[in-house]
Amino acid sequence: QVQLVQSGAEVKKPGASVKVSCKASGYTFTNYDINWVRQATGQGLEWMGWLNPNSGDTDYTQKFQGRVTMTRNTSISTAYMELSSLRSEDAAVYYCARGHRGMDVWGQGTTVTVSS
Amino acid sequence: SYELTQPPSVSVSPGQTARITCSGDALPKQFAYWYQQKPGQAPVVVMYTDSERPSGIPERFSGSSSGTTVTLTISGVQAEDEADYYCQSADSSGTYRVFGGGTKLTVL
Repeated sequence: QVQLVQSGAEVKKPGASVKVSCKASGYTFTNYDINWVRQATGQGLEWMGWLNPNSGDTDYTQKFQGRVTMTRNTSISTAYMELSSLRSEDAAVYYCARGHRGMDVWGQGTTVTVSS
Repeated sequence: SYELTQPPSVSVSPGQTARITCSGDALPKQFAYWYQQKPGQAPVVVMYTDSERPSGIPERFSGSSSGTTVTLTISGVQAEDEADYYCQSADSSGTYRVFGGGTKLTVL
């Protein structure tokens, strides 16, 4: 079945970077964009940007430009989201989601904790 | 930056009709999508391109669009529909996605 499986929870110190992976299976990875969305505890969904796995092209929302990098490894059908210069406000659950008919398949989420 | 506006909360009794609105200036040009999210779970798309229902989503869910407002309607609400609902669309360029602030649906 079509699924996205994300890497496990992370605990990072302020100023550090975190890299979350998202492994696709059950479909052709390069056929659909991958979106990254985050959700702080008790808050709403926040779109961060997207990656075209075929071309490697990306678009990031202005809030994260300069701090986020989205990449992929097509040989293992995996997308990555790296966020640098972490601050306490970046503590959240980070999701990847396939861009088809909106965002039709979501990963299980990766909890990122930022704490000194 | 572009914003989508949703009411924070909607409450209905079982069997009644719930309507959740989402407003945004670019909605006449850009499709809207709706997601249901239950506590501790990832979101699930319940409506795409304004009014198309994905397979597996009950027929009581429907979507509509009028000008700068899109509406998710749940007819004959059931207890299991209690969740947070988010609309999502794109800015006028079509490049950047955005979510509404979310609406908590409470089934009384």
